Amino acid sequence: DTAVSQTPKYLVTQMGNDKSIKCEQNLGHDTMYWYKQDSKKFLKIMFSYNNKELIINETVPNRFSPKSPDKAHLNLHINSLELGDSAVYFCASSQENRPWEQYFGPGTRLTVT
Amino acid sequence: KQEVTQIPAALSVPEGENLVLNCSFTDSAIYNLQWFRQDPGKGLTSLLLIQSSQREQTSGRLNASLDKSSGRSTLYIAASQPGDSATYLCAGNAGGTSYGKLTFGQGTILTVHP
Repeated sequence: DTAVSQTPKYLVTQMGNDKSIKCEQNLGHDTMYWYKQDSKKFLKIMFSYNNKELIINETVPNRFSPKSPDKAHLNLHINSLELGDSAVYFCASSQENRPWEQYFGPGTRLTVT
Repeated sequence: KQEVTQIPAALSVPEGENLVLNCSFTDSAIYNLQWFRQDPGKGLTSLLLIQSSQREQTSGRLNASLDKSSGRSTLYIAASQPGDSATYLCAGNAGGTSYGKLTFGQGTILTVHP
């Protein structure tokens, strides 16, 4: 019944590794998002995909690459992880005609050591 | 560029008290403003959405107001309960080509003790 799900919930890895976080929504939404919440709790948008097309791409290092195999999935791949990448990453989704009405996943806490 | 600030950063109150959380934004050309609740280990849940043409929205014990001219929004919680303890975030939406881009404040951590 989970509307927006993310895996894994926790991810601990070493600097320099490559990792992926997966997101799936079963709401039939057209648009999906990735947000980063840093240690100071600021939640900032990273990417937005609509029907598998990138529509929002904030100033994010190109080590971060979103991939949308279909409308229901938006995965986040991170290359060469750095200490500063440690944060909670949230996935969200919305209908195309109501993009402000976003439904959030539970978050993935990434810790880079 | 829209910036959103929330005051206070943390608030601790006894059960039953009425309280106000504040949110200010720099760009008055805001399309709508939302208040979210974030519980530890969980995602965000939208509480109230105020369109730019509206001045307030109410849901149960919650009332949110929007004053675009002063760049402020407030969330009023009546008769607070321990279950209200959470982080409350406000987020502005610019509209136009940035319809989906929500700009969040840093949140207010609310603790309601019995």
